[in-house]
Amino acid sequence: DAKTTQPNSMESNEEEPVHLPCNHSTISGTDYIHWYRQLPSQGPEYVIHGLTSNVNNRMASLAIAEDRKSSTLILHRATLRDAAVYYCILRYSGYALNFGKGTSLLVTP
Amino acid sequence: EADIYQTPRYLVIGTGKKITLECSQTMGHDKMYWYQQDPGMELHLIHYSYGVNSTEKGDLSSESTVSRIRTEHFPLTLESARPSHTSQYLCASSAEITPYEQYFGPGTRLTVT
Repeated sequence: DAKTTQPNSMESNEEEPVHLPCNHSTISGTDYIHWYRQLPSQGPEYVIHGLTSNVNNRMASLAIAEDRKSSTLILHRATLRDAAVYYCILRYSGYALNFGKGTSLLVTP
Repeated sequence: EADIYQTPRYLVIGTGKKITLECSQTMGHDKMYWYQQDPGMELHLIHYSYGVNSTEKGDLSSESTVSRIRTEHFPLTLESARPSHTSQYLCASSAEITPYEQYFGPGTRLTVT
């Protein structure tokens, strides 16, 4: 199975953009890239997903490298409520997701 | 807003007891999942189901069992609880047309004494 690599932690100031990187150098051509986040004491929450093109939704943007070996989740203006663990996920098996360790994002006022 | 529910939210129980963790969703999703997560650690898939009467084991070996008799209901059972079963159990579901967009319940935090 293709693996993802994310920094263990990142820090951002409130109201500034945040770029969360993910490397997936062994990604296959049919693997979608998914991002989830988990706020403290809650279950994970779907954020965004994409295959080749950049994607935008109300929560975030996903920028995918042309060779698909890396991607970046962009939070345009971080708020304190965005402090969470962010997971970059490829397909695991069938439709089940392999969450990995993720990046713990700290947002400071 | 996701409509997936788990009960109980917190459970403290003694060793050897049989327990069932409930998970229900009102979205009509065919696919349902159980994940296990220790504090500060990764989520691991322990069971999943693609529909009624369909259940499979996930990547993390678990002594728990599941059933899927109704689309909306996916209970998890431990026949004899042990302290090693102490963990958070998270249930999720997803639709046929968007299988990777999983909706999670709030979780059940289980402590076995």
